[in-house]
Amino acid sequence: GAVVSQHPSRVICKSGTSVKIECRSLDFQATTMFWYRQFPKQSLMLMATSNEGSKATYEQGVEKDKFLINHASLTLSTLTVTSAHPEDSSFYICSATGTSVSYEQYFGPGTRLTVT
Amino acid sequence: AQSVTQLGSHVSVSEGALVLLRCNYSSSVPPYLFWYVQYPNQGLQLLLKYTTGATLVKGINGFEAEFKKSETSFHLTKPSAHMSDAAEYFCAVIKSGGYQKVTFGTGTKLQVIP
Repeated sequence: GAVVSQHPSRVICKSGTSVKIECRSLDFQATTMFWYRQFPKQSLMLMATSNEGSKATYEQGVEKDKFLINHASLTLSTLTVTSAHPEDSSFYICSATGTSVSYEQYFGPGTRLTVT
Repeated sequence: AQSVTQLGSHVSVSEGALVLLRCNYSSSVPPYLFWYVQYPNQGLQLLLKYTTGATLVKGINGFEAEFKKSETSFHLTKPSAHMSDAAEYFCAVIKSGGYQKVTFGTGTKLQVIP
């Protein structure tokens, strides 16, 4: 149980375009989803926290207009990188918590974004 | 505020040797503690967690960790390393009592030498 999927697993886009990454909880309802960014050989950096049906809470230094997060249902959250630039290239990981175990996060497999 | 310190960004052990990955934390309230493993280009997989109760917790793949409040530590161990254990390991802490943001350590890359 407690499986989280991400799509796509890898994406290459051109500079200036936008790309959407989906995060789905497959077998539980995710009241809260988190989006992380991981630079090579570094730890995870929390970008934002989203609760179903409400606006995401962004961490300091994260541009909310550039990284659009939508959590429209209890099983789906999306991260859209708008007007992507090469410096946005990174590994993006989502996680989700359920209603019964609020402290345990279940992680998706990650999405490798490359902006050319 | 809470923080996590992982001593040693790289650890090398021989196959069959003891694995010891160190984690120290600071938290103003009793924490929940986690160890995650990450293989290249993959997400994080939970190895084990401590919330309450027994301070020695056993996880998957033969790993275990002991919560030592007096030392504010939660070191990860495995008696005998296997080649498949080569990966990045992250210690993480969350405040007890419900939903809170997770704070991750900087990670330790484990290399297993044949």
